[in-house]
Amino acid sequence: DQQVKQNSPSLSVQEGRISILNCDYTNSMFDYFLWYKKYPAEGPTFLISISSIKDKNEDGRFTVFLNKSAKHLSLHIVPSQPGDSAVYFCAASANTGNQFYFGTGTSLTVIP
Amino acid sequence: DAGITQSPRHKVTETGTPVTLRCHQTENHRYMYWYRQDPGHGLRLIHYSYGVKDTDKGEVSDGYSVSRSKTEDFLLTLESATSSQTSVYFCAISSLGVSVNTGELFFGEGSRLTVL
Repeated sequence: DQQVKQNSPSLSVQEGRISILNCDYTNSMFDYFLWYKKYPAEGPTFLISISSIKDKNEDGRFTVFLNKSAKHLSLHIVPSQPGDSAVYFCAASANTGNQFYFGTGTSLTVIP
Repeated sequence: DAGITQSPRHKVTETGTPVTLRCHQTENHRYMYWYRQDPGHGLRLIHYSYGVKDTDKGEVSDGYSVSRSKTEDFLLTLESATSSQTSVYFCAISSLGVSVNTGELFFGEGSRLTVL
């Protein structure tokens, strides 16, 4: 059973606009969340993370928001650039475990 | 970039044959992981290691075995490959593991396996 879900397989946005990628989780023990970006034929690369003690973490154009009550996190990219076109995975872990659980990914296309 | 090398990068094999994928790291990280990526499933953990000769199962471990005899090498073996094991396999490493909430994974470039 998928514990981390990304319900939008794909998303298209215009260059310069905001991209919002969503992720839901079911395991209330998860307390650390990450976003990874993946280009074709490459391995995923770490983008940004957030601990459950925070509700927002910002790094340049990337901001992750965490809503623990809704078990929901989102990644905002502002402004979106063509180079942001990639597959984005969210991942979650619990302090008591040794595993990251990944979502199915959202393919973002930024249109010039 | 983290020093992670996967080999082979591409392999085509036949059903029933054994296959071994190798992950080599130069970072001296304690934790090593094997994931597979499939459409509609994202990245799923097969096995991981938290030290030399210390391994544990992940979500999809059936049909796979692993070994870690040295810190730098983590081998994934398919004893008898099946078509359902056609996938892209990623090795990942972490210095802290995920039990400490600042760990992140560094991934290799992937190994594409096709089982005919």
